[in-house]
Amino acid sequence: EAGVTQFPSHSVIEKGQTVTLRCDPISGHDNLYWYRRVMGKEIKFLLHFVKESKQDESGMPNNRFLAERTGGTYSTLKVQPAELEDSGVYFCASSWRPHSDYGYTFGSGTRLTVV
Amino acid sequence: KQEVTQIPAALSVPEGENLVLNCSFTDSAIYNLQWFRQDPGKGLTSLLLIQSSQREQTSGRLNASLDKSSGRSTLYIAASQPGDSATYLCAVSGTSGTYKYIFGTGTRLKVLA
Repeated sequence: EAGVTQFPSHSVIEKGQTVTLRCDPISGHDNLYWYRRVMGKEIKFLLHFVKESKQDESGMPNNRFLAERTGGTYSTLKVQPAELEDSGVYFCASSWRPHSDYGYTFGSGTRLTVV
Repeated sequence: KQEVTQIPAALSVPEGENLVLNCSFTDSAIYNLQWFRQDPGKGLTSLLLIQSSQREQTSGRLNASLDKSSGRSTLYIAASQPGDSATYLCAVSGTSGTYKYIFGTGTRLKVLA
C-alpha cells in the first residue's frame, strides 16, 4: 500500500506570505494527524481529524493556522500569514483507528522555512 | 501533563558496540509506546511499538523494553553499524481522547566506522 504522502517536501517563503501544505493519508485511514517540529524542540501534536471532522485541535498554535480535510481524504494545512517562528518540519500521520494497535504511519514531512 | 525525556541527547560509538537508549515518561497511563528513527531531512520510520500490556518487542538487532510502572523504556541496539546513525525518538500515546503521541527530543546517534 502507498504510504502517507506530503508535499511539498520543502517550502521557502517570506514572512507575511501564505503557504499551504498537503497530506495524503493511507487509503482507508480515517484518522489523520498533523505534527510539527521547530528547531531544537520536540515534535508536537497540532491536530487530529477523524474523517472530515476535527477531533482535537488543541495543539494549533494560533488562528494563523487553518487545517481542512476535504471529504475525509487528503488534508491541507494553511499558514496565513507566515511568521519566522513557523519555520520547522510539519509531519502528517494516519491510522485506521485513533488507538491503533499498529501505531501511526508518518509521512516524510514538509520542511518550511520562513525568511 | 505527560512529559517524555530521552537520555542521552547525543551518543557517538564505534562500530560493533552494543548500546542502550533511554526514554522516560511522567504519566504511566499510556496506551502504547513507539520508537522511531529519523534520518536527516527524512520522515519518521517506526521501529518498534510496545503496547502498555507488553514488556518488550524485538525486531532484528533492536529490542525495546517497557516498564510502565516506573515510566521507562529502553531501546537496545546490538552490534551497531554506521547505517544505524540517525536520531531516535520515543513517543507515548495517551489512553483516551485522541490518543495523540507525546514525543521526546530524541537521541542523536553516530556510529563510527
